[in-house]
Amino acid sequence: ELKVEQNPLFLSMQEGKNYTIYCNYSTTSDRLYWYRQDPGKSLESLFVLLSNGAVKQEGRLMASLDTKARLSTLHITAAVHDLSATYFCAVDITGTYKYIFGTGTRLKVLA
Amino acid sequence: EAQVTQNPRYLITVTGKKLTVTCSQNMNHEYMSWYRQDPGLGLRQIYYSMNVEVTDKGDVPEGYKVSRKEKRNFPLILESPSPNQTSLYFCASSFITTGELFFGEGSRLTVL
Repeated sequence: ELKVEQNPLFLSMQEGKNYTIYCNYSTTSDRLYWYRQDPGKSLESLFVLLSNGAVKQEGRLMASLDTKARLSTLHITAAVHDLSATYFCAVDITGTYKYIFGTGTRLKVLA
Repeated sequence: EAQVTQNPRYLITVTGKKLTVTCSQNMNHEYMSWYRQDPGLGLRQIYYSMNVEVTDKGDVPEGYKVSRKEKRNFPLILESPSPNQTSLYFCASSFITTGELFFGEGSRLTVL
């Protein structure tokens, strides 16, 4: 079965703390994406990781991709309340144009 | 402004009454796709299109139809809606080279 699994599903953390969200996938894919969704809103693209070893950073968020391990991480540094949202990872299956999304990680940053 | 536009944003309908959700993008993207979002299930792909007149099934295509007659438009058709199609629907588009999806604002559909 083709799956994308995120851990944890829920995360409550204090402001100023660091944490990592994990995204494991079971299919062959060289491309992985991270999206953010605020409550009642659409999805916003955060990172596009197009090759093994890719690392991208934007503000307090850093994403990396290991295609051999089929694992991506989204690292949060010194969390702030504005980062509270649901984060999704997604892959597109190599050789197709199909996308599979994880079920999302709901992040709540407490002041 | 670059955007993906969906209509309607909210719709309540009854079982069996055909409806169409429109999607239009102004970014000249080759790729367009539809997703449904349900609590605890993330987003699931319904249909996608790699270019004009080229469409294919995603993971949950049953009960839906699509067409791609123009590059900018990709409507989702529910011929005979049922209550299990009550969901939040998103349209998205991208360049095939990057695969980075740009999403519409979503359409919340309730089927009674």
